[in-house]
Amino acid sequence: AQKITQTQPGMFVQEKEAVTLDCTYDTSDQSYGLFWYKQPSSGEMIFLIYQGSYDEQNATEGRYSLNFQKARKSANLVISASQLGDSAMYFCAMRDGSGGYQKVTFGTGTKLQVIP
Amino acid sequence: EPEVTQTPSHQVTQMGQEVILRCVPISNHLYFYWYRQILGQKVEFLVSFYNNEISEKSEIFDDQFSVERPDGSNFTLKIRSTKLEDSAMYFCASSVGQHVHQPQHFGDGTRLSIL
Repeated sequence: AQKITQTQPGMFVQEKEAVTLDCTYDTSDQSYGLFWYKQPSSGEMIFLIYQGSYDEQNATEGRYSLNFQKARKSANLVISASQLGDSAMYFCAMRDGSGGYQKVTFGTGTKLQVIP
Repeated sequence: EPEVTQTPSHQVTQMGQEVILRCVPISNHLYFYWYRQILGQKVEFLVSFYNNEISEKSEIFDDQFSVERPDGSNFTLKIRSTKLEDSAMYFCASSVGQHVHQPQHFGDGTRLSIL
């Protein structure tokens, strides 16, 4: 079974609008970390935001926020006031103890395109 | 802000040749990783490294691959006898610790093209 599921292969958003990128995860661990990374067309992997499984409040980092719904095992990324520079691939990822604590497991990504 | 640096940014190699990808992790980080992303696919874990030894590896990381920390700053991935299917983006990452709540910080990647 997929540990990280991103069901939106591609999304469009109008500049200055907000957009939500979906992510669901699967783990039996009580302690885990959820991460979002941005990958522009140039290829680098940029860490955006983190949510811990024990965190009661949703994480926020500037225009990025994470809508964490633990019971539903979802960790959606919300980008507010979209900018043209937000056009990129976005990967949801998780770090848990199953199969070892070392690796981060990535989803298949969502390609976001911001329209002027 | 400190960052993970990788060299080269792009490597073109003939099939069957050996290639070494280099990484300088963030200086106070203790855990180091290599990941691979085949074009159009998701990022896959290869190996993690701590205290001068491999701590975990995936099924992808077979005898063709090896990692080394030759000095106090560099972390390398060696691929012996490269194959066409080794063409991918290779990312190095590092983290302060192995706790699940600690993010891994990635370098900009090395794009490896096997001809």
